[in-house]
Amino acid sequence: KQEVTQIPAALSVPEGENLVLNCSFTDSAIYNLQWFRQDPGKGLTSLLLIQSSQREQTSGRLNASLDKSSGRSTLYIAASQPGDSATYLCALPRGGGSEKLVFGKGTKLTVNP
Amino acid sequence: DTAVSQTPKYLVTQMGNDKSIKCEQNLGHDTMYWYKQDSKKFLKIMFSYNNKELIINETVPNRFSPKSPDKAHLNLHINSLELGDSAVYFCASSHGQGGTEAFFGQGTRLTVV
Repeated sequence: KQEVTQIPAALSVPEGENLVLNCSFTDSAIYNLQWFRQDPGKGLTSLLLIQSSQREQTSGRLNASLDKSSGRSTLYIAASQPGDSATYLCALPRGGGSEKLVFGKGTKLTVNP
Repeated sequence: DTAVSQTPKYLVTQMGNDKSIKCEQNLGHDTMYWYKQDSKKFLKIMFSYNNKELIINETVPNRFSPKSPDKAHLNLHINSLELGDSAVYFCASSHGQGGTEAFFGQGTRLTVV
């Protein structure tokens, strides 16, 4: 059974700072890992999908890394902006080729101007 | 040109009523899902349909009945609503194969009073 943990639960940083969000998982036999962003009262926006064969994936100021052997992924945000304030969720397929995603509880990020 | 759209966005209803939430995707995906986000913001899978066929049914009361008239639509009907059903319900879709990206709708906030 796949379990996903995100630390910290909340993070507050000043604008311009580089930051790292962490995601750990218990079953390393994964197909992929997906990072989402959720704004208050809104849906989930897919940020990055990193395949199990990849070590990292980049989109703009975001960089996601994946280390299957240690069961960890990180989301690096460079030069943070107030508009980056949101809850960041990581999710993985449950396992055995299942398409259903198991989510962490998220990290609530606040970037202060 | 919204990829995954849900209606309504907000739904307030009394206990005991029956209500439906509709979901449509225009991405050409063959798998659709319903997720529930509880008051603690934790997201959990409820159902998954692939090409109109139910493939995942988590431990959900049988008051919840999904219906997929075609692979672009997955509606959720809830009978005899209870206070504990209050949550945000998210529809999502993907190509359904391991390793593909999931896209989410904006969510439907259901409040049972």
